[in-house]
Amino acid sequence: GQQVMQIPQYQHVQEGEDFTTYCNSSTTLSNIQWYKQRPGGHPVFLIQLVKSGEVKKQKRLTFQFGEAKKNSSLHITATQTTDVGTYFCAGDSGGSNYKLTFGKGTLLTVNP
Amino acid sequence: GAVVSQHPSWVICKSGTSVKIECRSLDFQATTMFWYRQFPKQSLMLMATSNEGSKATYEQGVEKDKFLINHASLTLSTLTVTSAHPEDSSFYICSAKTGAYYEQYFGPGTRLTVT
Repeated sequence: GQQVMQIPQYQHVQEGEDFTTYCNSSTTLSNIQWYKQRPGGHPVFLIQLVKSGEVKKQKRLTFQFGEAKKNSSLHITATQTTDVGTYFCAGDSGGSNYKLTFGKGTLLTVNP
Repeated sequence: GAVVSQHPSWVICKSGTSVKIECRSLDFQATTMFWYRQFPKQSLMLMATSNEGSKATYEQGVEKDKFLINHASLTLSTLTVTSAHPEDSSFYICSAKTGAYYEQYFGPGTRLTVT
């Protein structure tokens, strides 16, 4: 079945440093979504990427979707303590049920 | 908008009993609901997908007779863990989507502990 690999598993940074998490799917995706889960919370939708090579920005967050629609990345510029949490990518291989395969997530901790 | 609630938020039950977890979309109609299981510090494992009025589609390895899913209305889906065992202890999260919108809205989760 479809697999979504995500690295790194953990990342600890000093406040102000940049952060990147990478996601790779074993199959071509229809779209990829990114979610953030704060400690003790539930996943919250961040963004969806659909087009090959697409780049989207949300303030300090930059999301990219690879040309082959099999990989993606999330880059945070100048991290803040509010960025703490686990970032999950989730791949949709296309299908009537829109089901997602989640990566293992990257836990980001930020030292103030 | 797009709020999903789950009830209960946590439950402790004895081995062999059954537990029902409710997932409700509060301000939208959920054409599809998903049930996930999440182990501590791990990812979300999709258990099943349910569409209103039809039988749930279970992922490989998930026992449908043990995890009964009902999606009786556009705002409510239930997951019943039957004859629970300690290994069923986990964090169960539901999510819901509507129509052609891709994003899933997650509930706050239910922590199940089976003693």
